[in-house]
Amino acid sequence: GENVEQHPSTLSVQEGDSAVIKCTYSDSASNYFPWYKQELGKRPQLIIDIRSNVGEKKDQRIAVTLNKTAKHFSLHITETQPEDSAVYFCAASRGGTSYGKLTFGQGTILTVHP
Amino acid sequence: GAVVSQHPSRVICKSGTSVKIECRSLDFQATTMFWYRQFPKKSLMLMATSNEGSKATYEQGVEKDKFLINHASLTLSTLTVTSAHPEDSSFYICSAPKDSGYTFGSGTRLTVV
Repeated sequence: GENVEQHPSTLSVQEGDSAVIKCTYSDSASNYFPWYKQELGKRPQLIIDIRSNVGEKKDQRIAVTLNKTAKHFSLHITETQPEDSAVYFCAASRGGTSYGKLTFGQGTILTVHP
Repeated sequence: GAVVSQHPSRVICKSGTSVKIECRSLDFQATTMFWYRQFPKKSLMLMATSNEGSKATYEQGVEKDKFLINHASLTLSTLTVTSAHPEDSSFYICSAPKDSGYTFGSGTRLTVV
């Protein structure tokens, strides 16, 4: 089955700096890669996703890159703000006419210091 | 659109009792529902996949007799934790595939005392 590895487990940055979180996956058939932000006791919130037919996607301060050959994808947050502090999860699944199970990475605790 | 309503949000039960968690798709038909468990400061781990009208598929290491999953209709999937013990205390969350990704329930915090 799919295995998703995420690094780092914790990341501390100063407000305004950039943050990068990296994930690797094992199943070459995975083609959908979402990133979630989760606050304590809440459901994961989708912040950005990318499909395997695209190498990069950007939404304001957030970007995701995908390298299918190397089976890794990364989340980039620029101009970080204290409200970006949360736990971030990457995930991978096989999508198509219907989406298969999501496999999550281990999570990254991001702390943005004012 | 594509909302999954999960209840209860919090439950405290005595050791040895059973607890049922419900996930309802409010504005779409969920033929598949994924059930996850999340321990404090850990990731979401898939427990099982329920499919409407058929038996659930359990992940390796998950006891099917302890975690009973029922998906009797296209809008309701339930997870029953039977004979709960303190080690079953966790955050349980359901998720359904939707047209362009996944939608999550709000989660259930189970505490077994």
